[in-house]
Amino acid sequence: QQQVKQSPQSLIVQKGGISIINCAYENTAFDYFPWYQQFPGKGPALLIAIRPDVSEKKEGRFTISFNKSAKQFSLHIMDSQPGDSATYFCAARSWGGGADGLTFGKGTHLIIQP
Amino acid sequence: DGGITQSPKYLFRKEGQNVTLSCEQNLNHDAMYWYRQDPGQGLRLIYYSQIVNDFQKGDIAEGYSVSREKKESFPLTVTSAQKNPTAFYLCASSIGRTETQYFGPGTRLLVL
Repeated sequence: QQQVKQSPQSLIVQKGGISIINCAYENTAFDYFPWYQQFPGKGPALLIAIRPDVSEKKEGRFTISFNKSAKQFSLHIMDSQPGDSATYFCAARSWGGGADGLTFGKGTHLIIQP
Repeated sequence: DGGITQSPKYLFRKEGQNVTLSCEQNLNHDAMYWYRQDPGQGLRLIYYSQIVNDFQKGDIAEGYSVSREKKESFPLTVTSAQKNPTAFYLCASSIGRTETQYFGPGTRLLVL
């Protein structure tokens, strides 16, 4: 069963626009929500992460918005650039739960058109 | 320069052959993981290890085996029992089992 649902599967955004990727979860034991960025043929790299005690975290052009009551979190990429074209994964962690503590979404393939 | 290394970058397997993928880390992390990535499937956990000489099956362990004789190393063997081994294999490590995971560059396994 998929505990973290990620959407959309693919996304095309014009250069300078805002890219938005959404994730939803069901397990209320999740307490840490990282986002990973992956370029073709490379391993995923940690981009930004948030804990449920805050509703928003911003690092440069990347912002995570977190809605604890709705059990949803999203990644916003402001002023999207062609170099942001990659696959993005959301994930969630629960202390003491699951095989490895991290559950991943299925990924979003983002294309930024120049 | 700390990090996770995986080798080889590309690996070819003949039918009936076992192949071993290498993963080494110099981050002094206790926990290590192996994931398989297929298009549209996200990351699926194969095996993980929280400490030396101990490892646990993940969601798709059938046809794979691992060892953890050293803290720095967590090799994955793809056995002949794995009927669909073509995939991108990712190794990761973390300070503890539920801390943020850091990934290696991956190994792409292809079947001849």
